[in-house]
Amino acid sequence: GAVVSQHPSWVICKSGTSVKIECRSLDFQATTMFWYRQFPKQSLMLMATSNEGSKATYEQGVEKDKFLINHASLTLSTLTVTSAHPEDSSFYICSARAGLLLHEQFFGPGTRLTVL
Amino acid sequence: SQQGEEDPQALSIQEGENATMNCSYKTSINNLQWYRQNSGRGLVHLILIRSNEREKHSGRLRVTLDTSKKSSSLLITASRAADTASYFCATDAFYSGAGSYQLTFGKGTKLSVIP
Repeated sequence: GAVVSQHPSWVICKSGTSVKIECRSLDFQATTMFWYRQFPKQSLMLMATSNEGSKATYEQGVEKDKFLINHASLTLSTLTVTSAHPEDSSFYICSARAGLLLHEQFFGPGTRLTVL
Repeated sequence: SQQGEEDPQALSIQEGENATMNCSYKTSINNLQWYRQNSGRGLVHLILIRSNEREKHSGRLRVTLDTSKKSSSLLITASRAADTASYFCATDAFYSGAGSYQLTFGKGTKLSVIP
């Protein structure tokens, strides 16, 4: 299957700093990328969907000014957590699809963010 | 928003027994998928069943889908200690707001297989 990578796999930062997480589709062009967040012992919650070249569509309750998503190319999406706080500590997982009508969705390995 | 609800939330069985997990959802779907996640790790795709299918098998996995009841079940036969993980169903549907198909995850079932 297709491979999605994320970097970094884990990050620890101080409260108030910003953190950028990269998501890359390694062997396919991702027309749509998704960002999920998973708190401990909970399920994945979709944060936002981004189509290449378009602004991201955020789910209700997700602050778009706090979680900046850029999908500048067909192989790269970034999530920047701005002014991170301890409550933003979570497991962030990106995912990608190769076409609007294709139903296989490939997941990255996740990034564990800890905000001190 | 989350669409799927799984039950049970937690399941503990002896090795060799079968494990059944159920998933219910609310809206029309294109397909339904099951994933496994070991603690603190990424997702592993297990199986996909399309909305026009009723049953699908893959190794020790059997998935059923009842679109009239908006429910699915995952059966793992002859469980092993290595099957210990959280299992999530995810429904695939088109969301016009985002202009794309999306996977929406259920709350998951935590399976413990005791050796």
